[in-house]
Amino acid sequence: QEQVVESGGGVVQPGTSLRLSCEAWGFTVGSYGMHWVRQSPGKGLEWVAVIWEDGRQTDYVDAVKGRFTISRDDSKNTVYLQMNSLRDEDTALYHCARDLKFVLQAFATWGQGTMVTVS
Amino acid sequence: DIQMTQSPSALSASVGDRVTITCRASQSIENYLNWYQHKPGKAPKLLIYAASTLQDGVPSRFSGSGSGTAFSLTISSLQPEDFAIYYCQHSYNTPPTFGQGTRLDIQ
Repeated sequence: QEQVVESGGGVVQPGTSLRLSCEAWGFTVGSYGMHWVRQSPGKGLEWVAVIWEDGRQTDYVDAVKGRFTISRDDSKNTVYLQMNSLRDEDTALYHCARDLKFVLQAFATWGQGTMVTVS
Repeated sequence: DIQMTQSPSALSASVGDRVTITCRASQSIENYLNWYQHKPGKAPKLLIYAASTLQDGVPSRFSGSGSGTAFSLTISSLQPEDFAIYYCQHSYNTPPTFGQGTRLDIQ
């Protein structure tokens, strides 16, 4: 069964860094667009970043550009989100999600998320 | 960025009811519209993509319609497991954005 499992969240101070991991099971991350989507406490869903199938093209929401970097390790079937210069407003539950095949940016498989608290 | 607006923000209904949630985009997104169900503490679940295509394994009581800027999600006969938060999301361009969510509660 296809699934993704996020890890790496925690409580950190503003201005520090954290790296989130998303390990995939049952499919190959290199065959799909892989995304991070976050949900701040009491709020809705916000897309954060994508690494496309080619592994080179990435994109980010404006609020994290220049601070966050998405990457992929095909040998570990894992996607990462390096978060630098963290701010209070980055506090959220971070989900990893996989594209539906042939339907870009329709998120077919999600993890339960890893919580990041910046305080 | 394209803004997505859902209505209502919250809805109370009973088992067996037919409910409809609407979603409006700030510009035309053709049929690049997806619907998700989210229960607290669980991973969101894709219900419908491309405005009206049911994702594998999703019950047929869920249906979607619309194109351009106006879309809707209908649940034909509510079941106890359907009480959750529902989000629309466009996939027309980057960044993909979500509606603010509709909380569906038991009346």
